[in-house]
Order: sequence, then structure tokens, then C-alpha cells
Amino acid sequence: KNEVEQSPQNLTAQEGEFITINCSYSVGISALHWLQQHPGGGIVSLFMLSSGKKKHGRLIATINIQEKHSSLHITASHPRDSAVYICAVGVDSNYQLIWGAGTKLIIKP
Amino acid sequence: KAGVTQTPRYLIKTRGQQVTLSCSPISGHRSVSWYQQTPGQGLQFLFEYFSETQRNKGNFPGRFSGRQFSNSRSEMNVSTLELGDSALYLCASKGQQRTPQYFGPGTRLLVL
Repeated sequence: KNEVEQSPQNLTAQEGEFITINCSYSVGISALHWLQQHPGGGIVSLFMLSSGKKKHGRLIATINIQEKHSSLHITASHPRDSAVYICAVGVDSNYQLIWGAGTKLIIKP
Repeated sequence: KAGVTQTPRYLIKTRGQQVTLSCSPISGHRSVSWYQQTPGQGLQFLFEYFSETQRNKGNFPGRFSGRQFSNSRSEMNVSTLELGDSALYLCASKGQQRTPQYFGPGTRLLVL
């Protein structure tokens, strides 16, 4: 079993829909990251969380430390949100990351 | 601040050759990590350098090596290239502990 599991693997939705991507982990962590990777490879760090909830524009990330679970939400989704969303957890103070497999999101106009 | 830069962006090599990739971190960042991304294996950690010392290492063969210079710029070298080394190689830099990593655009390597 992978230490970081994401679901769903693939998600196709219509523009405007509310999107939820889930991440569950089985190890003790120091922080959890949500990253976005566009076609072509560039990776952008969206959030780093160790507790609670963070919001940036239409993106919201939550984490429940007790349940070892995090969610990334996108409100009013747009085709430009189409990308691979990756959850990664930092497991020690040196922040070597364990990566989820990613969720490929396609938003259709 | 300028972001993390990687050169070259694209590279084509043949089996048996060696390659050197370069990463310039964000100014002031002393930690540089390297990752390999392939369709089949996803993102895998190669190694991390901090203040010119390798601090962490992933599970890659000795053909993969790296170094970091006094200005925190880092290079990654792969010797005796194999077809399976074709991948996107990503570099990320980090400042203080408990701060995010910032990724470069990657170098896409194709081994023929």
C-alpha cells in the first residue's frame, strides 16, 4: 500500500463545477503539500498545510491530522484549472517528500 | 525574486553518453532537491543538497550524482545513460525549515 493515496486518479468535470480531490496518508507528517503540474511539466506549489484550512482565490485546502486526510477543493472550476494535482507529505525536518500519484483534472468548457 | 531556473530545458542524448543538468535556486535558498518524473514511476526523489553537502539520497544507482556549489547552484550528472533515464528532471529549492519547496520548470531528457 502506498504511503500517500490520492483519489480520484482522473476527474473530468464541466466548467463551473465544484471539484474535490482527496489525499490520505499513513505516516506521521510534518506538513502536507498540494502542487499543480501543467502539461509541459512545470510544477507550482499551491499550499503547504500542517493543520486546519487555507484558501487562495478559488482554491481551498483542508487537512485533518487525526484522520490523516486532506482535501483540495476548487470552486467555480475553469478550463485553465486543467492540470495534474499532486499531494505530497513531508515526513521529517529535512522535508524529504513522499508523493501521491497525482489526480489528472480536466475541466471542459 | 527570480524563480528556480533549470538548464537546459530539453536535451536529447544517446545511450552510453553522460549528461549534466543545472539548477539555480531562488536567491537565499540553500537547499536544492532533485526529482525524476516518469509516466510509469511518477515523481521520485533523487537527492537533496544543503550548503554544498548531500543531505538526503533516494534509491537511485550510482550513475546518478550531484553536487552543489558555494552559491547554492546545483548540478546533477547521469553517466552511462540508459533508455529508461528518459524523464523530466525537476529541481526544487527551499529556504528555512518548514517553508515550501519551489520548483523549476524541469529539464526534459530523451535518451535514444
